Amino acid sequence: AQKITQTQPGMFVQEKEAVTLDCTYDTSDQSYGLFWYKQPSSGEMIFLIYQGSYDEQNATEGRYSLNFQKARKSANLVISASQLGDSAMYFCAMREGQNRGSTLGRLYFGRGTQLTVWP
Amino acid sequence: NAGVTQTPKFRILKIGQSMTLQCTQDMNHNYMYWYRQDPGMGLKLIYYSVGAGITDKGEVPNGYNVSRSTTEDFPLRLELAAPSQTSVYFCASSYGDSPGQPQHFGDGTRLSIL
Repeated sequence: AQKITQTQPGMFVQEKEAVTLDCTYDTSDQSYGLFWYKQPSSGEMIFLIYQGSYDEQNATEGRYSLNFQKARKSANLVISASQLGDSAMYFCAMREGQNRGSTLGRLYFGRGTQLTVWP
Repeated sequence: NAGVTQTPKFRILKIGQSMTLQCTQDMNHNYMYWYRQDPGMGLKLIYYSVGAGITDKGEVPNGYNVSRSTTEDFPLRLELAAPSQTSVYFCASSYGDSPGQPQHFGDGTRLSIL
């Protein structure tokens, strides 16, 4: 089973509008972390935002917020007031809290969502 | 303020050649990881290390080897390069393995096998 599922291969949004990128996850751990990374066309992976499984408040970082719904196992990224520079691939990732076999602390990634912001 | 540094950024290899992708970090992180990213896919774990002298396989280790002689360096070795190894390779590091610690990524190495 997929640990991280991103069902939107591509999304389009007009500049200054808000956009939500979907992410659902699968884990039986009680302690885990959810991350969003941005990958622009230049290729680097840029850390955007983190949500812990025990955090009661949704995480926010500037124009980024994470809509965390634990019961539904979803961790959607909301970008407010989109800018042209937000056009990039966005990856949702999870890190589990317990020792799972031999992959301590690894990140599980979704397939990504390509966001295009148009003027 | 270097963080995680990967070299080279680009490389073209012929089938059957070998090479080493270099990764070094200056944050004194114990945990280091190698991932590969194929087109249209997320990152998959190749190998990881929890400290100097300790390495272990991830989900796609075949065709690769690693070593960790120092805390700073975690090179990835390709022996007998194959077209299936054409990919973008990312090295990452973190201080520990707790869920709240983000992994810091290098800029990636784009590798083509022809």
